[in-house]
Amino acid sequence: AQTVTQSQPEMSVQEAETVTLSCTYDTSESDYYLFWYKQPPSRQMILVIRQEAYKQQNATENRFSVNFQKAAKSFSLKISDSQLGDAAMYFCAYNGNKLVFGAGTILRVKS
Amino acid sequence: NAGVTQTPKFQVLKTGQSMTLQCAQDMNHNSMYWYRQDPGMGLRLIYYSASEGTTDKGEVPNGYNVSRLNKREFSLRLESAAPSQTSVYFCASSDMRTRQETQYFGPGTRLLVL
Repeated sequence: AQTVTQSQPEMSVQEAETVTLSCTYDTSESDYYLFWYKQPPSRQMILVIRQEAYKQQNATENRFSVNFQKAAKSFSLKISDSQLGDAAMYFCAYNGNKLVFGAGTILRVKS
Repeated sequence: NAGVTQTPKFQVLKTGQSMTLQCAQDMNHNSMYWYRQDPGMGLRLIYYSASEGTTDKGEVPNGYNVSRLNKREFSLRLESAAPSQTSVYFCASSDMRTRQETQYFGPGTRLLVL
């Protein structure tokens, strides 16, 4: 069975600085998709970024980018120029034939 | 365009009571899903419906039933609620049930079973 591990239960970052959230996964499949979802206090799950496993180029969405290392089964999220509105729980998720979530990382942003 | 909506937002039940959580999407998506979220854990799949007229079990289906009423609506029923079903429930939808799918989530229903 596929598993997703987020080893950092909680992270803190100063406003305007950069932070990286870690994610590793376990799978025997070669074709799959990876996602980062943001869950603010409102509980709404918001898609942040998506990576297709067959693409070598790392996905980027404005201040959010990923470091996808397929051989290492690693999928980290980098947030640049952190803002107060980035404070939330972040979930890494793997989709082979069903969506599997990690346990989440709480990100706190200090002003 | 409301996306995915869920009702109610919050509910308190007594052990043994039944209730139905409602979910609707207006994105014309084929696939719909029900998840539960417990503290310290990510979302876990309860049931899903790949298309209208079909439903399948997910990771944690025990104690739940679902109905895909039409393409827009997918309900989750607790026949006899138990304290272990205290959780936050999310409905999601996606355009097709393939690996490319991006799932879009509703705002969640917080359920407390006493």
